[in-house]
Amino acid sequence: QKEVEQNSGPLSVPEGAIASLNCTYSDRGSQSFFWYRQYSGKSPELIMSIYSNGDKEDGRFTAQLNKASQYVSLLIRDSQPSDSATYLCAVLLNTGGFKTIFGAGTRLFVKA
Amino acid sequence: GAVVSQHPSWVICKSGTSVKIECRSLDFQATTMFWYRQFPKQSLMLMATSNEGSKATYEQGVEKDKFLINHASLTLSTLTVTSAHPEDSSFYICSASSQGAGGYGYTFGSGTRLTVV
Repeated sequence: QKEVEQNSGPLSVPEGAIASLNCTYSDRGSQSFFWYRQYSGKSPELIMSIYSNGDKEDGRFTAQLNKASQYVSLLIRDSQPSDSATYLCAVLLNTGGFKTIFGAGTRLFVKA
Repeated sequence: GAVVSQHPSWVICKSGTSVKIECRSLDFQATTMFWYRQFPKQSLMLMATSNEGSKATYEQGVEKDKFLINHASLTLSTLTVTSAHPEDSSFYICSASSQGAGGYGYTFGSGTRLTVV
């Protein structure tokens, strides 16, 4: 089982719609979770971090965490063509030392 | 916010030569930096954790004698790809946190695209 799993997509949504990105993780002891956005040929940029169960909102982005289900999601409201990118789910593991493990990423296309 | 500078942004080298990639934290001290490799259309794979003043910790399957990591100061970590081969061609990215190894959210360098011919 992979440590962080995401649907590779592509996920295609029309402009203005809500895009929903999902991620599951295997380490039940994980406490910190992140969503990164990566444009083609560029390095990832941090969008959201979440540490507690429930929702966390930042502008058009909402991260949702359910530790019991080992599930984290990202909702993008009012999707824009500029949101088209690969979204990486990341989990901070503490295995005697901290390290961040990434999912394979979900490619999102927002159609104008 | 925290800035991580990485260079070169791209490099082309001949097979058998070595290439050094630098990663600097510009406005904070990073006791720990991470090196990732990303092949086209794949996710970031952690190669090693670079610790200032001590040996790097390599992930399983990563050859430590091929990928030399030096973290000589709190603001600089280097990755040297020795005796590079075409299969080493990839996008190499470093990251660090201004809040320490267990910090919340990491900043990435801009990445180095290595092409070995």
